[in-house]
Amino acid sequence: SQKIEQNSEALNIQEGKTATLTCNYTNYSPAYLQWYRQDPGRGPVFLLLIRENEKEKRKERLKVTFDTTLKQSLFHITASQPADSATYLCALEHDYKLSFGAGTTVTVRA
Amino acid sequence: EPEVTQTPSHQVTQMGQEVILRCVPISNHLYFYWYRQILGQKVEFLVSFYNNEISEKSEIFDDQFSVERPDGSNFTLKIRSTKLEDSAMYFCASSELPGNYGYTFGSGTRLTVV
Repeated sequence: SQKIEQNSEALNIQEGKTATLTCNYTNYSPAYLQWYRQDPGRGPVFLLLIRENEKEKRKERLKVTFDTTLKQSLFHITASQPADSATYLCALEHDYKLSFGAGTTVTVRA
Repeated sequence: EPEVTQTPSHQVTQMGQEVILRCVPISNHLYFYWYRQILGQKVEFLVSFYNNEISEKSEIFDDQFSVERPDGSNFTLKIRSTKLEDSAMYFCASSELPGNYGYTFGSGTRLTVV
């Protein structure tokens, strides 16, 4: 069966440190992988998209890698701030829809 | 920045009643979606809509569900006879060409079936 697994439900880090989140998938062949941020009671907000032929993508303090051999994406938040506290969702794009992982909740301590 | 607008933000309905959730996608987007999120669970795909027809639907999207784009701006989700297990947050989303851009989600409608 198809699965998208984000390996930590929760991640607590000190302000200024780098948060690294993992997304693993099985039985998908996605052309694209996306990361979203979700705050409580709100809709997901798009952060980054990475294509299967791209190894790495950056946007400000965010970095995403995509390894189609390992079937894994890593999402990094560098120089983390308390405002980065949220749930981060990995999503695979296939057949003109997104399938989401369960998310990792990041808490950044001041 | 353009937004996807959803109304109402909260809806309480009695079991067996019909509900219509409304969405105004971003005007130049071509693809429209409904997702739902049961409290504490992951975001689940319901249906995608392109060129005035359903392009993909999930197992959740059974005969009790329907979608419509009644005019050039609105996109609606109708649940014909609500069940307790339909209680969830329903998100509308829209996108330009999939794969080149992310999806823009609305703030959601919290549906409570009593």
